Amino acid sequence: KNQVEQSPQSLIILEGKNCTLQCNYTVSPFSNLRWYKQDTGRGPVSLTIMTFSENTKSNGRYTATLDADTKQSSLHITASQLSDSASYICVVSASGGYQKVTFGTGTKLQVIP
Amino acid sequence: NAGVMQNPRHLVRRRGQEARLRCSPMKGHSHVYWYRQLPEEGLKFMVYLQKENIIDESGMPKERFSAEFPKEGPSILRIQQVVRGDSAAYFCASSPPSGKSSYEQYFGPGTRLTVT
Repeated sequence: KNQVEQSPQSLIILEGKNCTLQCNYTVSPFSNLRWYKQDTGRGPVSLTIMTFSENTKSNGRYTATLDADTKQSSLHITASQLSDSASYICVVSASGGYQKVTFGTGTKLQVIP
Repeated sequence: NAGVMQNPRHLVRRRGQEARLRCSPMKGHSHVYWYRQLPEEGLKFMVYLQKENIIDESGMPKERFSAEFPKEGPSILRIQQVVRGDSAAYFCASSPPSGKSSYEQYFGPGTRLTVT
């Protein structure tokens, strides 16, 4: 069964600090992995997308890594800002036919002043 | 270039009524996905449609729920005889027809359904 697990479930950090969110998956055959940011009451917004051959991708202060061998990904946020407070969702797609996706339950990040 | 549009943004229905949720994909996108998000939970896949075709409805309850994406007009998610457990946020996402760009799903703002 395809699964995506994220940790921690929730996280509180001080403004300006860095943090790393984890994603482990068992989706097979692997096609791509995406990280989304979802603000409260809004739809998810894409941060990064990585295929099998990519092991790191940056988007501003967000850097995602992918280890396809261990089936792990991380999202590193540098110099956090209050606006980073949101849920971060790891989404993994399986290839074959179409991009069937499996969502993680997300990490709820709160950045406090 | 407008993003994915959903309406209404908020919908209140009494138990037993019907709910119709609309999704207009981004211009040029022919693939539409519907997801449901219960309070404090992650998104759950419901159905994947292309124009006039349901490709995968494995995440959609067999009864009371239906979806369509007609040749013209928005995609519709229809819930008949709503129950309290249907209260959730329903998100629509769209993606381009093919190629690597089809990996990306662009989400709408969601419709928050409340069943009283």
